[in-house]
Amino acid sequence: QKEVEQNSGPLSVPEGAIASLNCTYSDRGSQSFFWYRQYSGKSPELIMFIYSNGDKEDGRFTAQLNKASQYVSLLIRDSQPSDSATYLCALHTGRRALTFGSGTRLQVQP
Amino acid sequence: DAGITQSPRYKITETGRQVTLMCHQTWSHSYMFWYRQDLGHGLRLIYYSAAADITDKGEVPDGYVVSRSKTENFPLTLESATRSQTSVYFCASSESDGAYEQYFGPGTRLTVT
Repeated sequence: QKEVEQNSGPLSVPEGAIASLNCTYSDRGSQSFFWYRQYSGKSPELIMFIYSNGDKEDGRFTAQLNKASQYVSLLIRDSQPSDSATYLCALHTGRRALTFGSGTRLQVQP
Repeated sequence: DAGITQSPRYKITETGRQVTLMCHQTWSHSYMFWYRQDLGHGLRLIYYSAAADITDKGEVPDGYVVSRSKTENFPLTLESATRSQTSVYFCASSESDGAYEQYFGPGTRLTVT
């Protein structure tokens, strides 16, 4: 079992809809969780991080964390074509570096 | 504010040659990291450094060497390049052990022929 699992997609949503991206993890000791956005040919860009159970909102983005069920999700409201990218889930388990999932490709259809 | 830079951005080399990828950050972040990104594998950690002169192996360190004599620089050397090391290499930095948010450089696309 991979440490961080993401559906590779593509996840296709119409413009203006809510995109829901999910990530599950295996290490119950994971302490902090991150969502990165990566456009094709570009480097990952940090968009959200969450440390505590519950929801964290930042503009059109909401991160949700459920440590008991070992999943973290990212909701993108009012999706725009410019949101089309690969979204990487990453987590910190106590080692010094982050562990990344393989990413979910999101396509927002105009 | 340059942030974190990598050079070269693109490199083609031959099997068996030594190649050094450079990474420089202007934030005075303590931690620096090298990842490689390949289709189907996501980002995999090669090496990381907690401070100058402190480095440690990551998930896929074989065939790579790092050094960190100055806080701002973290070069990655492929001692004898192999075709399996064809990849996109990202350098990242993090403010401290407690912060954990990592910020990435633009990447180096390396092709080994």
